[in-house]
Amino acid sequence: GESVGLHLPTLSVQEGDNSIINCAYSNSASDYFIWYKQESGKGPQFIIDIRSNMDKRQGQRVTVLLNKTVKHLSLQIAATQPGDSAVYFCAEISMEYGNKLVFGAGTILRVKS
Amino acid sequence: EPEVTQTPSHQVTQMGQEVILRCVPISNHLYFYWYRQILGQKVEFLVSFYNNEISEKSEIFDDQFSVERPDGSNFTLKIRSTKLEDSAMYFCASSDNLAGVGNQFFGPGTRLTVL
Repeated sequence: GESVGLHLPTLSVQEGDNSIINCAYSNSASDYFIWYKQESGKGPQFIIDIRSNMDKRQGQRVTVLLNKTVKHLSLQIAATQPGDSAVYFCAEISMEYGNKLVFGAGTILRVKS
Repeated sequence: EPEVTQTPSHQVTQMGQEVILRCVPISNHLYFYWYRQILGQKVEFLVSFYNNEISEKSEIFDDQFSVERPDGSNFTLKIRSTKLEDSAMYFCASSDNLAGVGNQFFGPGTRLTVL
């Protein structure tokens, strides 16, 4: 079946450095991608999204890049802070498969002070 | 800022018992969802609900599961006869558009422990 996966299960960065979290997706028909942040004991929290007709979108301190040629999605966090420590999930939606979110496995981001 | 709420935060039950997990979606949202996350694993879609009916469900959502919107504010997930493998975090989410064009907002989750 279609699936979304992540390259790196754990990423450790120094406070102030930039972080890059990667995600590979397999469904070329996906229309929409979202990055979620999940802190311990909480539900997924929306960070940023991107449609399949875009290749880059910027938010506050975060940038999402989409490379449809290689089916790759990345989340860049600038000047990483201790509060950024969490599990990060990419998720995709394909209208072909309905409006459900298909989540990747998650990457743990640890920020060292 | 409006948010999705869920109760209880933790539910412990015996195998074979029925449980009802409750959610209050964001008030002007029209689409409602349940997801689950087994400890250490990824979030999995269970069911979506719109206009008082199920619009999509996964293979996980078998006959033991049901959803209901009993009034204008609550959205519930019922598991009729719980199994050990139902132990997980259950997240409710809501959106004001089909998720392809709008974000799904998640609640804090209910941790279900089946003994």
